[in-house]
Amino acid sequence: AQTVTQSQPEMSVQEAETVTLSCTYDTSESDYYLFWYKQPPSRQMILVIRQEAYKQQNATENRFSVNFQKAAKSFSLKISDSQLGDAAMYFCAGRLGGATNKLIFGTGTLLAVQP
Amino acid sequence: DTEVTQTPKHLVMGMTNKKSLKCEQHMGHRAMYWYKQKAKKPPELMFVYSYEKLSINESVPSRFSPECPNSSLLNLHLHALQPEDSALYLCASSQGFAVGGARQPQHFGDGTRLSIL
Repeated sequence: AQTVTQSQPEMSVQEAETVTLSCTYDTSESDYYLFWYKQPPSRQMILVIRQEAYKQQNATENRFSVNFQKAAKSFSLKISDSQLGDAAMYFCAGRLGGATNKLIFGTGTLLAVQP
Repeated sequence: DTEVTQTPKHLVMGMTNKKSLKCEQHMGHRAMYWYKQKAKKPPELMFVYSYEKLSINESVPSRFSPECPNSSLLNLHLHALQPEDSALYLCASSQGFAVGGARQPQHFGDGTRLSIL
């Protein structure tokens, strides 16, 4: 079965500090794509970063970077220099290959940023 | 500004009403999606349209009826809903499922907050 698991329901970080959100996944396919989405209270789901399984280099977008460990099926998100605007629910998601093309979501991590 | 526009933003309706949710995108995407999201939960896929044809129906009750009039528009017709259908309904779009389409992310709208009285 294809699954995405986030084991941290809630996290907290001080402003300007670094925080890492964990995500693991399971698939038997070799070609798949992973995403992190942010959903603030304003409710729009915003793409933060994406990673293609065949790329060994970890994706980076400004203060956001991933640690993609393909063998361990791990895809964590690191937020550097945390800002108050980073407070949101973060969902890890994957298109994990095969015929379905569905986007499979983890259960989410609620991130609080303390001033 | 979101590139996927959903209307209305809020909707309150009785269990006997008929209403419709609308979604529009102008990014040339050929796949469009409806999701249902409860508070502090991930979105649950309801329907997928690919090239204006329904390709996935996740066993959604018939009181929800999707429609894709053209490649830019997606509707969700609602009739005889139940209180447990109260949720945030999200529309999303992405490039088609042809080669290379799977690597592209889905772009989400702001959602419609639906309350059933």
